Amino acid sequence: KAGVTQTPRYLIKTRGQQVTLSCSPISGHRSVSWYQQTPGQGLQFLFEYFSETQRNKGNFPGRFSGRQFSNSRSEMNVSTLELGDSALYLCASSLRGGEKLFFGSGTQLSVL
Amino acid sequence: TQLLEQSPQFLSIQEGENLTVYCNSSSVFSSLQWYRQEPGEGPVLLVTVVTGGEVKKLKRLTFQFGDARKDSSLHITAAQPGDTGLYLCAGAAYSGAGSYQLTFGKGTKLSVIP
Repeated sequence: KAGVTQTPRYLIKTRGQQVTLSCSPISGHRSVSWYQQTPGQGLQFLFEYFSETQRNKGNFPGRFSGRQFSNSRSEMNVSTLELGDSALYLCASSLRGGEKLFFGSGTQLSVL
Repeated sequence: TQLLEQSPQFLSIQEGENLTVYCNSSSVFSSLQWYRQEPGEGPVLLVTVVTGGEVKKLKRLTFQFGDARKDSSLHITAAQPGDTGLYLCAGAAYSGAGSYQLTFGKGTKLSVIP
């Protein structure tokens, strides 16, 4: 059974640009959650999607958005990038949400 | 806002030593999960504890959930270099619509020196 796949693994962007990250969950998993991980703040919850609907949202500005497709694949978008957006972005899938999470390897985003 | 405090933040020990990592909160959680994360990878779930006072053992790792379901500890016996990594605790709380939201602690970075 394939694990959670995140692409790309690394991204370098400049301030003001936008970026789209992709996540393919484990087959059969309908819940996809996104987290931002930084050394200072740890893992912070961005949002969760279940059956193409955003079910939960963390305390991030509107520049952070996401969506989920009918095949459960998910994308997150960050517009007008700021230096502080540099982080490891992790995607996690689960059957229904909140129970055992399976994480991808993450996308390391650097904003210059 | 539910917060989870992990201590210590950093731990460097010699191979063969024992250690305990703590995870504390003022909030009650439905369950508490422990993950381990290695550099360049995402966290991997080690265990979930659900019942207050529950103790689970995973080889040399012992996990305990506090009676009030607000805190947890992870004890490693005879640490090995392969135990090196970032240990994260995460508390689950019901957020409605059949979903549980996880709040993560900032982690304990463990280095086991051969």
